[in-house]
Amino acid sequence: GESVGLHLPTLSVQEGDNSIINCAYSNSASDYFIWYKQESGKGPQFIIDIRSNMDKRQGQRVTVLLNKTVKHLSLQIAATQPGDSAVYFCAEEIYSGGGADGLTFGKGTHLIIQP
Amino acid sequence: DGGITQSPKYLFRKEGQNVTLSCEQNLNHDAMYWYRQDPGQGLRLIYYSQIVNDFQKGDIAEGYSVSREKKESFPLTVTSAQKNPTAFYLCASSRRRGGNQPQHFGDGTRLSIL
Repeated sequence: GESVGLHLPTLSVQEGDNSIINCAYSNSASDYFIWYKQESGKGPQFIIDIRSNMDKRQGQRVTVLLNKTVKHLSLQIAATQPGDSAVYFCAEEIYSGGGADGLTFGKGTHLIIQP
Repeated sequence: DGGITQSPKYLFRKEGQNVTLSCEQNLNHDAMYWYRQDPGQGLRLIYYSQIVNDFQKGDIAEGYSVSREKKESFPLTVTSAQKNPTAFYLCASSRRRGGNQPQHFGDGTRLSIL
């Protein structure tokens, strides 16, 4: 099937190395962020989330860093494996008025693992 | 296992035809969503529903319709008014809309024009 990774920024990493995927968000009012992984032909899979009262959160082999000063989010994947090949994208939740507007999604980065 | 099921996986539409994409969830989530994904683009919200018998337009609702008669089900109809329907359609659900809740996705339906 057609890849959702077409025309996206690409990050190529050697197997076993660490990967860092970056995301810039635009709205300083955003207070919740999620990283998703999407393999070809499948739906996005939740990886990890972070709230704006935190700078860092760790999961299994993944770490998310949030820098609110420069509105930047990063996903670090330790000891990258072939199964990590996918498109990774961030999502932010923006509050306006009396409640949240729901998630807004970035376009994504295509992570390619070199053997 | 709890999750979101979308069907069919592939769907073909003829000129002037309406087609309906199915989305079922057994996560007991109140909120459900439909997104459209085109190559190289982020997900775009078509419709969402926060509760049974209620739904709201998203950013690109024209040419689409939905219903929410049951908590578990949120079907999307792509009408003949949608002139560029070829895309990957994703359904998602969350406990509620907003409030720092992650959305969980199905595995999508790829719609093409015959």
